This record gives sequence, C-alpha cells and structure tokens, in this order.
Amino acid sequence: KAGVTQTPRYLIKTRGQQVTLSCSPISGHRSVSWYQQTPGQGLQFLFEYFSETQRNKGNFPGRFSGRQFSNSRSEMNVSTLELGDSALYLCASSLRRDGVSYEQYFGPGTRLTVT
Amino acid sequence: AQSVTQLDSHVSVSEGTPVLLRCNYSSSYSPSLFWYVQHPNKGLQLLLKYTSAATLVKGINGFEAEFKKSETSFHLTKPSAHMSDAAEYFCVVARFGNEKLTFGTGTRLTIIP
Repeated sequence: KAGVTQTPRYLIKTRGQQVTLSCSPISGHRSVSWYQQTPGQGLQFLFEYFSETQRNKGNFPGRFSGRQFSNSRSEMNVSTLELGDSALYLCASSLRRDGVSYEQYFGPGTRLTVT
Repeated sequence: AQSVTQLDSHVSVSEGTPVLLRCNYSSSYSPSLFWYVQHPNKGLQLLLKYTSAATLVKGINGFEAEFKKSETSFHLTKPSAHMSDAAEYFCVVARFGNEKLTFGTGTRLTIIP
C-alpha cells in the first residue's frame, strides 16, 4: 500500500506570496492532519480534517488554512508568507472513526523556504 | 491540556549497549502515547503506541516502552543499539480518540562505533 505523499517536496517563496501544499493520504484513510516543524518551535499541530470538515485546530493565525476533498486528499494554504513560515510541513493520515483514533502515518514533508 | 517532556535533548551510546530515552507526560485525560523516529531529511515513523491496553508496549526494530501511570512516564528502551538507530526520537501524547498530537522537543540519539 502506498504511503502518504506530499507535493511539492521543496518550495522557495518570497515574503508576501501565498503557497499551497498538497497531501494524499494512505488509501482508505479519511483523516488528514498537518504539522509544522521548525528548529525553534519543534513540531506543532496545525489542523485536522476528517470527512471534508475541520475537526481540530492548533494555535496558528488565520493565514494558515486548509481543506479536504471528497477523496480525502488535503491541501494547506498559507497566505501573505512571512520569513518565520519557513519550515518543514508534515502531513499525516489515519483511519480515524468517530470517537476512535488510530496511529498516524506521516509523509516525507514539504520543505518551505521563504526569502 | 496535555504535554510531554523529553528529559534529554541528546543521548550517546556505544553500539551494542542499551538505549534509554526518557519521557514524562502530563494529561488531563486518559492519554494515548507514542514514540516516533525521524531520520535525517525523512518524515516521521511510528515506533510504538500505548492506548490503555498492556502497559509494556513492543514496537518495531527491537524498541519497547513501559507506561507507568504512577510516575507519569513512558520511557523508550532497546537492549542493544545499532548504528542504524541514530536519529531524532519524539515522545508524543494525544487525548484518546483525538487526532491532535502533542510532540516533545525530541532526543537526538548518537551511536558510537
């Protein structure tokens, strides 16, 4: 079974621009979560989507948004990029059923550099 | 609220000797606990998980962890280190039934030949 895939793997953007990252979960997984990893802040939860609905949200500004499609694929968008948004963005998928969670499987990440 | 504290930012052991990576947790709810490993320039790989079943959890690659509620600990161990174990290890807590993972700051494991 194919793992979680993320595209693109590397991205360079300029301050003020916006960016869209994509994540395809493992087949059959309906929950997709996003995390930001930086040397200073470590790994932080951004949000989780399940059945096309945002179910959980971390403490990030509204510039960070996401969505999930009917095939469970998810996109994450960051608008008005700041230098501090430079990070590795990781996507994870899980089987998640209502009230029961399962282990999350992570993709390789998208390395975003903002200049 | 929930959090994890990884007590060592860096651990060095010789190849063939035991590994101990320490983790304490805090949770207002019944926790699910995980250990993930991240090799350089790679994503996160699940080593093992605790979800209120057996307190001694066995994972992949010979790793295991013991859930001790009285000590609020979930330390990761391996009897004999291998060079391929060199990586960053993260202790993670989640509320049972909730997908939001809270990560520790990580422990970098170095294996000395």
